Amino acid sequence: NAGVTQTPKFQVLKTGQSMTLQCAQDMNHEYMSWYRQDPGMGLRLIHYSVGAGITDQGEVPNGYNVSRSTTEDFPLRLLSAAPSQTSVYFCASSYSRLAGVTDTQYFGPGTRLTVL
Amino acid sequence: AQSVAQPEDQVNVAEGNPLTVKCTYSVSGNPYLFWYVQYPNRGLQFLLKYITGDNLVKGSYGFEAEFNKSQTSFHLKKPSALVSDSALYFCAVRDNMDSNYQLIWGAGTKLIIKP
Repeated sequence: NAGVTQTPKFQVLKTGQSMTLQCAQDMNHEYMSWYRQDPGMGLRLIHYSVGAGITDQGEVPNGYNVSRSTTEDFPLRLLSAAPSQTSVYFCASSYSRLAGVTDTQYFGPGTRLTVL
Repeated sequence: AQSVAQPEDQVNVAEGNPLTVKCTYSVSGNPYLFWYVQYPNRGLQFLLKYITGDNLVKGSYGFEAEFNKSQTSFHLKKPSALVSDSALYFCAVRDNMDSNYQLIWGAGTKLIIKP
């Protein structure tokens, strides 16, 4: 049981490049989400999914796309990277289909992204 | 609007002393409250949560938190700090009246335990 895995751990992009951050979980969790963590700002929700085929926007969705074709995988795509997207990105999952209202969330180790 | 405040950017405690990391919140309905810890270069780990019931919640690694509805607080505590407790601590809240079930995070408090 690997929990929540994320790849890559580190990435440097040039402005305008696109890339996909991978996230997978092997706990059969229905709810998955992507956060970005910036100094002094805590975690901000980018996108989330309550099940395969269902995604929705969080607090800061602009510049990012997601899809959920399987229960296990929830990739985050940066369409055209900008320096403002330099951040640490965390994927998280929880069991409940009710958006993890009372469930604890399990976090991946994070991806540190730098956009030059 | 929902919000969470962690008023201290950093808390310094000597090893063996009690520690408190503060969290206050604002919600429209009833709160679901969480504490998570982040060790350097790691993802966040769940410590404890308050959903309903007893106001004193016990969690992992000897931590506990007290829900105080009148003061809208959920402070994290530990009777005797360890150097290994040094980490970044996050408080988070959900409003049971929020149909989007958004989890609102505090900015985090860096806890430093000195030997």
